[in-house]
Amino acid sequence: GQQVMQIPQYQHVQEGEDFTTYCNSSTTLSNIQWYKQRPGGHPVFLIQLVKSGEVKKQKRLTFQFGEAKKNSSLHITATQTTDVGTYFCADTSGNTPLVFGKGTRLSVIA
Amino acid sequence: DSGVTQTPKHLITATGQRVTLRCSPRSGDLSVYWYQQSLDQGLQFLIQYYNGEERAKGNILERFSAQQFPDLHSELNLSSLELGDSALYFCASSVAPGDAYEQYFGPGTRLTVT
Repeated sequence: GQQVMQIPQYQHVQEGEDFTTYCNSSTTLSNIQWYKQRPGGHPVFLIQLVKSGEVKKQKRLTFQFGEAKKNSSLHITATQTTDVGTYFCADTSGNTPLVFGKGTRLSVIA
Repeated sequence: DSGVTQTPKHLITATGQRVTLRCSPRSGDLSVYWYQQSLDQGLQFLIQYYNGEERAKGNILERFSAQQFPDLHSELNLSSLELGDSALYFCASSVAPGDAYEQYFGPGTRLTVT
């Protein structure tokens, strides 16, 4: 079945540094959704990208969908301790509603 | 608070036993999804229901079954439990079954099989 690979698996940053996580697929993605899961919490929907080359911003978060729709990225500018958590991308292609990547766990050191 | 409720929050049981996890979707949502989250496997889709009917199936074991009732709540039944079934089980709901819709996750049920 389809797979989405997320890198890196873990990222430790100093507060104020930027952070980027990447989501890659060997096949063309239909849509990409991004979720955030705080430690001990449940996944929370952040955004959905649909169009090739699409860029969306939410305050310090910038989401990008690749031109070929085979990759996506989430960039956080000037991280804060509230950004701590695991960020998942999810592919909506195929017969399975959502195929999640394994996530990138972000730690922010104050 | 996502509006999705799950009970119980924690469940500890022995191998070979059977348990039932319950989920109530957000008001107005017709589609329910079940996921299993373990440390090394990430979030694995198990099964989806829409308005009482099974819509899609993922990597759900034959020992597991689910259903969605007329009032739209859903139950996930896990039987002949094994140690490897220990995980967080999330329920999510969306207004409709299509991939354009965001999913709202419940707080999860943590299952420990001893």
